[in-house]
Amino acid sequence: DTEVTQTPKHLVMGMTNKKSLKCEQHMGHRAMYWYKQKAKKPPELMFVYSYEKLSINESVPSRFSPECPNSSLLNLHLHALQPEDSALYLCASSQARLTNLGNTIYFGEGSWLTVV
Amino acid sequence: AQSVAQPEDQVNVAEGNPLTVKCTYSVSGNPYLFWYVQYPNRGLQFLLKYITGDNLVKGSYGFEAEFNKSQTSFHLKKPSALVSDSALYFCAVRRRSTDSWGKLQFGAGTQVVVTP
Repeated sequence: DTEVTQTPKHLVMGMTNKKSLKCEQHMGHRAMYWYKQKAKKPPELMFVYSYEKLSINESVPSRFSPECPNSSLLNLHLHALQPEDSALYLCASSQARLTNLGNTIYFGEGSWLTVV
Repeated sequence: AQSVAQPEDQVNVAEGNPLTVKCTYSVSGNPYLFWYVQYPNRGLQFLLKYITGDNLVKGSYGFEAEFNKSQTSFHLKKPSALVSDSALYFCAVRRRSTDSWGKLQFGAGTQVVVTP
């Protein structure tokens, strides 16, 4: 069972809405990730936080805004999305990346986002 | 250039027969290697990883994988497949160099279908 918890499981939003996806982990991990996954495709990295600081932004459009309030929580704020942004959004965590790159990345169950 | 190749889009196997899912990589410097499984409408679950040492790695749910450095392969195997093993399987690699920020690179995925 995953120890990365994501809410909500499903979200439908209009293109003018503002919504947020939430992620929580209690494994003591100091690296947290957002991935985007389209159906039957591999996950695509969006953001990486290491020790609550943004380490990587994979050229993600500004309509996606990540936030890491503390070492256990990760949010993804959504605003003015497009229908093509509809996808499964996966949160993940691992021990701090820069200390051991062999650390396993553990994924949550994901949030299914539909933009209408 | 693609770093991780899963040459088969789909693998069909009868229940009770051996299952093999192939993965080859073209990443320099002895990368870390991972297998993940994704059941329908679920997140990714970690199966196993190769860091160093014994070339045969044992993981969850009876799966194992064999690392072959000369062939740069990391094939996933299960001696006797179950219908419940039907899922999407992803191979992933992570460079040892910190220059790459430890980014997980996924293969395209292989759909496994196990028939009764």
